[in-house]
Amino acid sequence: AQSVTQLGSHVSVSEGALVLLRCNYSSSVPPYLFWYVQYPNQGLQLLLKYTTGATLVKGINGFEAEFKKSETSFHLTKPSAHMSDAAEYFCAVSDRGSQGNLIFGKGTKLSVKP
Amino acid sequence: DGGITQSPKYLFRKEGQNVTLSCEQNLNHDAMYWYRQDPGQGLRLIYYSQIVNDFQKGDIAEGYSVSREKKESFPLTVTSAQKNPTAFYLCASTPDRYWGYTFGSGTRLTVV
Repeated sequence: AQSVTQLGSHVSVSEGALVLLRCNYSSSVPPYLFWYVQYPNQGLQLLLKYTTGATLVKGINGFEAEFKKSETSFHLTKPSAHMSDAAEYFCAVSDRGSQGNLIFGKGTKLSVKP
Repeated sequence: DGGITQSPKYLFRKEGQNVTLSCEQNLNHDAMYWYRQDPGQGLRLIYYSQIVNDFQKGDIAEGYSVSREKKESFPLTVTSAQKNPTAFYLCASTPDRYWGYTFGSGTRLTVV
């Protein structure tokens, strides 16, 4: 069965520092990959996705992620953190061969220090 | 604007009561989903529906029921059989597996 592992339930960075949130998946074939952001008491918002083609994917709010098949990873990065980036981030994977239900990681809460 | 509307935003349930959470979408999406979110546990799938008049159990369906009589609507009933219903409930929809999901803003259910 598909699984998604997000390393680190909490990550803290200083404003202006690099943001790196890690995501690894288990799949025998390249899946569809997604990153979502959730602000307190709100739903999830799609940041970016990888389905096919270019392995470096750019999303909203200056975030990007790179699909690395050899490492089964899809880490999320942002060169310079802003206070407004403080939120919880979820990585998700969809098996191409299944009904396509997303499997979510447990989430990483990002704190940004002034 | 198109989107998903969940109501109410906050809901309080007494012991032994059934309550129904509403989820309506005007995106013309075929598939709809219900997730439960608890702190530190991510999102867990309760039920999903790929087409009208059809739905399947997810990973934690016990104590919940759904219906899908219209494409736009996918209500979730939390029954008295659900022993620990206090959680944040999220509804989502998608037109296709590689599109990603669109989420509603959630309903926070509390047992009092």
